[in-house]
Amino acid sequence: QSVLTQPPSASGTPGQRVTISCSGSSSNIVGTNTANWYQQLPGTAPKLLIYSNNQRPSGVPDRFSGSKSGTSASLAISGLQSEDEADYYCAAWDDSLNGVVFGGGTKLTVL
Amino acid sequence: QVQLQESGPGLVKPSQTLSLTCSVSGGSISSGTYFWSWIRQPAGKGLEWIGRIYTSGSTNYNPSLKSRITISLDTSKNHFSLKLTSVTAADTAVYYCARCTSGYYGVWVDFCDYWGQGTLVTVSS
Repeated sequence: QSVLTQPPSASGTPGQRVTISCSGSSSNIVGTNTANWYQQLPGTAPKLLIYSNNQRPSGVPDRFSGSKSGTSASLAISGLQSEDEADYYCAAWDDSLNGVVFGGGTKLTVL
Repeated sequence: QVQLQESGPGLVKPSQTLSLTCSVSGGSISSGTYFWSWIRQPAGKGLEWIGRIYTSGSTNYNPSLKSRITISLDTSKNHFSLKLTSVTAADTAVYYCARCTSGYYGVWVDFCDYWGQGTLVTVSS
């Protein structure tokens, strides 16, 4: 069981907006601790999608956005495209474990 | 452009030691304020953080694996390594190495921006 909780699946049609949630606790996604999001396309390594709650690395389309509220984080994908079909993982530093914790991952299907 | 490449045996016998190396190109592992990390992923499952080493040599390990892990740096070869002892079938996974940034910049930042392609390690007799 993962320390961060994500829905196992999400879906949407092309052009739609989809959000994926990530629920944490008072030892990880809280206060000045930040959440990150990784995209993993089938058969490939994870790719950094969002860091520090809402920052996009260079090259990541602005269709992807992140937010944090309390002990939860969210990833929003607008203008959904077929190439967005992938697994998405949230991650954060955990002060109690003194290490990085991941969510269980959300498989996004573009219908 | 920083690139990372994992290497090591793809098959390890139960109770033996898994040893992997991550070769870094496009930058020195002894420069900057980076953590060099290992993450693994069993087939069909999620990501699990194994641990990391700072350029100074200090380490952080996953508490659930801490008794079996050693992560080390070899600056002369520009690579870092993972050793996992007493392996079982539960350690079968794709192992990734990554370059990560961690620090306080008004908020606590901790993310991995460069990843290796991953290497499959199977534990089986």
